[in-house]
Amino acid sequence: SQKIEQNSEALNIQEGKTATLTCNYTNYSPAYLQWYRQDPGRGPVFLLLIRENEKEKRKERLKVTFDTTLKQSLFHITASQPADSATYLCALDLNQGGKLIFGQGTELSVKP
Amino acid sequence: DAGVIQSPRHEVTEMGQEVTLRCKPISGHDYLFWYRQTMMRGLELLIYFNNNVPIDDSGMPEDRFSAKMPNASFSTLKIQPSEPRDSAVYFCASRPGAGTDTQYFGPGTRLTVL
Repeated sequence: SQKIEQNSEALNIQEGKTATLTCNYTNYSPAYLQWYRQDPGRGPVFLLLIRENEKEKRKERLKVTFDTTLKQSLFHITASQPADSATYLCALDLNQGGKLIFGQGTELSVKP
Repeated sequence: DAGVIQSPRHEVTEMGQEVTLRCKPISGHDYLFWYRQTMMRGLELLIYFNNNVPIDDSGMPEDRFSAKMPNASFSTLKIQPSEPRDSAVYFCASRPGAGTDTQYFGPGTRLTVL
């Protein structure tokens, strides 16, 4: 069956450390993979997109990797800050007219 | 730009009543998506439109749900009759045309069916 799995447990880290979130998928062949941030009571906000032929993408303190052999994406936040506390969602883009399949999300808490 | 606008933000209704959720996408966006989010099932795509035409409604749970997009600046999601298991947060998102993959989400409508 088709599945997307993110870290099921909430992630608690200390300010200044690097947070690493995982997104694994089975029985999908995504053309792209996207990461979104969601704060309580709000809609998801786009962060980064990585294509299947890209190994890594960076934006400021964010880095995403995409391994189509392992069927896994890793999302890193370096020098984390309490303001980074939120739920992070990965989404597979199957290149079917913009349809996205979302993971359940990982809740990140950065303590000062 | 005002972003995606949804109304109402909160809706509490009783089982059996009709519920209508509204969405105004970002001007100029060709795609509109309706999602439902629950703790159990996460964020699920219900239906999406391209240039006001429904493209994929395979996520619509059953015939009680219907969606329309009469013009480029307005869409509705209707539930009739509503049931307690429909309680969730419903999001609308829009996206520019082909070649731009980012979706822009509205603030959501929290629906509670008693």
